[in-house]
Amino acid sequence: EPEVTQTPSHQVTQMGQEVILRCVPISNHLYFYWYRQILGQKVEFLVSFYNNEISEKSEIFDDQFSVERPDGSNFTLKIRSTKLEDSAMYFCASRQQVASYEQYFGPGTRLTVT
Amino acid sequence: KNQVEQSPQSLIILEGKNCTLQCNYTVSPFSNLRWYKQDTGRGPVSLTIMTFSENTKSNGRYTATLDADTKQSSLHITASQLSDSASYICVVTGGVGNNRKLIWGLGTSLGVNP
Repeated sequence: EPEVTQTPSHQVTQMGQEVILRCVPISNHLYFYWYRQILGQKVEFLVSFYNNEISEKSEIFDDQFSVERPDGSNFTLKIRSTKLEDSAMYFCASRQQVASYEQYFGPGTRLTVT
Repeated sequence: KNQVEQSPQSLIILEGKNCTLQCNYTVSPFSNLRWYKQDTGRGPVSLTIMTFSENTKSNGRYTATLDADTKQSSLHITASQLSDSASYICVVTGGVGNNRKLIWGLGTSLGVNP
């Protein structure tokens, strides 16, 4: 069964460094999402992406964040200058263009900023 | 304000026992309600999805109920297994069309002991 994959599974970086989190959505899906979950807190929406552009973003998704779909398969989240509070699990999700709005989640990348 | 509240926050039961998790929501307009299972360090996996007109839906040992009048949902797990140990998250989709958003609960952490 097709699934969303994410790499790396765990990323450790120093404060101020740039990180790129990678996702490969399910191949026939058209909508892509990034979420984050700080330890012990709710899952939070960051951004949605459709037709090669951002369709919606939350107030968390400030200028230090960017997303890209550089080719037909990868969907990336870049954090330009990481802060300690960026430490979290980052989940990618994708869905088809159907009314069910069912999103399929990847296994997540655990980002640790030291 | 759109919110999803879950109870209890955590629960420990013995293998083979049944349990019921609760979800109350204040989301308008309501589109659907999902229960996700999230294993530690993994992405959420959808268990059930219910629309406004559905009162109950089963997926194996998982049975979800929805009372759209009182805005309450429950997830009943029968004959629990050790592998049921996970966080169970209630997620309500609010809004219409491309303005739909997922409103996440904090989850109930379930531990199943032998």
